[in-house]
Amino acid sequence: DGGITQSPKYLFRKEGQNVTLSCEQNLNHDAMYWYRQDPGQGLRLIYYSQIVNDFQKGDIAEGYSVSREKKESFPLTVTSAQKNPTAFYLCASSIGVGAGELFFGEGSRLTVL
Amino acid sequence: AQRVTQPEKLLSVFKGAPVELKCNYSYSGSPELFWYVQYSRQRLQLLLRHISRESIKGFTADLNKGETSFHLKKPFAQEEDSAMYYCGANAGGTSYGKLTFGQGTILTVHP
Repeated sequence: DGGITQSPKYLFRKEGQNVTLSCEQNLNHDAMYWYRQDPGQGLRLIYYSQIVNDFQKGDIAEGYSVSREKKESFPLTVTSAQKNPTAFYLCASSIGVGAGELFFGEGSRLTVL
Repeated sequence: AQRVTQPEKLLSVFKGAPVELKCNYSYSGSPELFWYVQYSRQRLQLLLRHISRESIKGFTADLNKGETSFHLKKPFAQEEDSAMYYCGANAGGTSYGKLTFGQGTILTVHP
């Protein structure tokens, strides 16, 4: 079954802990994205990567880090520096730079206790 | 600043009524505009793009460069149209590939 796979679906962490969210795609897409979805604020771009070993900050990158060592993988680390990490996180990919259609994962809900 | 704005968080209409979801953008140059939809318990998915100029599920959206708007319209709403709708833009220039979205509008179509 092709597509975007995010894991875990639900994650709890204590304050002060880093946590890494996984995003894998088998669509052979070059571009990958991380968004944060909050009620009333819509989708906000955290980081995006247009090619392996390269990524750019989105609008709310502070407190987050990413890596893009493989084409199919784009993990997101929520660090302890993120002041309000409890949110729903969505990963997406697109065929290439500027290709408008994003394919989204099912999301990961992170709750900080 | 480059931004996509959806002024309505909630929109309610009755079945068969026309519906318009508003979207305004503030980008220099010629961004690519699109609409995404998220139905209950489904993934966010592309509804339509301005460059394709097509009608999907009875929805259309016209890019108005003068008003910097890309409103989504449907002449006769159906109950199955109830969903969250996001307007988005792909910036050009040095930010090419950076896809940003508005705040989203929850559409409810009542029977």
